[in-house]
Amino acid sequence: QVQLQESGPGLVKPSETLSLSCSVSDGSIGSYYWSWIRQPPGKGLEWIGYMYYSGTTNYNPSLKSRVTISIDTSKNQFSLKVTSVTAADTAVYYCARGGWSGSNYGAIWFDSWGQGALVTVSS
Amino acid sequence: DIQMTQSPSSLSASVGDRVTITCRASQSIGSYLNWYQQKAGKAPNLLIYVASRLQSGVPSRFSGSGSGTDFTLTISNLQPEDFATYYCQQSYSTVITFGQGTRLEIK
Repeated sequence: QVQLQESGPGLVKPSETLSLSCSVSDGSIGSYYWSWIRQPPGKGLEWIGYMYYSGTTNYNPSLKSRVTISIDTSKNQFSLKVTSVTAADTAVYYCARGGWSGSNYGAIWFDSWGQGALVTVSS
Repeated sequence: DIQMTQSPSSLSASVGDRVTITCRASQSIGSYLNWYQQKAGKAPNLLIYVASRLQSGVPSRFSGSGSGTDFTLTISNLQPEDFATYYCQQSYSTVITFGQGTRLEIK
């Protein structure tokens, strides 16, 4: 049973860069879509983007210019960077594993999630 | 982006009831629809993927159906632990989107 755990600063100043890591345990960085999803307090879920293990990335256009997702297979972890943050980026950030099936090409579902990391943007 | 609209936004039900939550896509998404349950302060948990496949370990009282633009999540014989918020999610488009959520409360 794969387990994911987010880590990183809980407070980031406006205009600075938000950086989070997700450690993958009880499983390796294999052929999945390694993803980040966020949830502002009291609101719904917003997909940020993913990196496929091969290195292909896909980002939400609403954040694309500010987001970078990367994978470090040697450390069995993947990371998120969001630049030029504002208060609107305050949210619980989840890392998640995106599963897929060859019989339903393109279908992606998030079958394992981290516990979430609250990041507050404030001076 | 494909918009996902859930209805109702909230509903009240009793233990033992059967409830249905609907998710409508702004365009056809085939069967590329997944359902999640989220309890307060916890990460979402995958219930159903590809519209109707039950995720391993999820009780059989949860079921999903639909294709194209209209999908349903049905919970039979509601249990106390089922009171939570439910989200649908599509991956037909390269931009993955979620519904706004349906809050299921105890009557």
